[in-house]
Amino acid sequence: AQSVTQPDIHITVSEGASLELRCNYSYGATPYLFWYVQSPGQGLQLLLKYFSGDTLVQGIKGFEAEFKRSQSSFNLRKPSVHWSDAAEYFCVGGGYNKLIFGAGTRLAVHP
Amino acid sequence: GAGVSQSPSNKVTEKGKDVELRCDPISGHTALYWYRQRLGQGLEFLIYFQGNSAPDKSGLPSDRFSAERTGESVSTLTIQRTQQEDSAVYLCASSFTQSRGVTLWGLAMQETQYFGPGTRLLVL
Repeated sequence: AQSVTQPDIHITVSEGASLELRCNYSYGATPYLFWYVQSPGQGLQLLLKYFSGDTLVQGIKGFEAEFKRSQSSFNLRKPSVHWSDAAEYFCVGGGYNKLIFGAGTRLAVHP
Repeated sequence: GAGVSQSPSNKVTEKGKDVELRCDPISGHTALYWYRQRLGQGLEFLIYFQGNSAPDKSGLPSDRFSAERTGESVSTLTIQRTQQEDSAVYLCASSFTQSRGVTLWGLAMQETQYFGPGTRLLVL
């Protein structure tokens, strides 16, 4: 069955520290992969997406993600976290007209 | 302005009954989405409305599920003959797009979706 798993429900990091949010997928073929962010009281915003080609994808707000087929992973990274990055992050996988959302990882940032 | 609103906030029903969930999108938003989130799981896309185009029903899990939307306003999600596995939080979201007729796929690449607070459905 197709699935997207985010193993970490909550993560807390210090401001300025590096960040990695994990995402694993299970899909019949190479999926299309996305990371979305939802800040408190805000809408769901697309951070970055992977379709094919270069496995390291750059997104907005200084985020990047790397597609690793051998590990079925699409982890989100940021070298230095800012307090404004505190939000909930969703990994999403799918194909044409089908989106499967992960359960989300809530990120807290300590000053 | 007001955000996306949903009603009821909680609904408890008996197996086999029909339920109707309501979503009021943000005024002016042309696209409306219904999702389901079962306990401990991620969001599951159900159905998508874009303006007056035919809705994308590809995510509906069975023919017991249906949804209607009048123009670019209120939407109702109806679940007939509810089953215990229908217990979940049902979320509605809306977005504004200037692209008429674009697919869910296209929107996934571009749009910001604004979510309502959800309706928590419990089927006994």
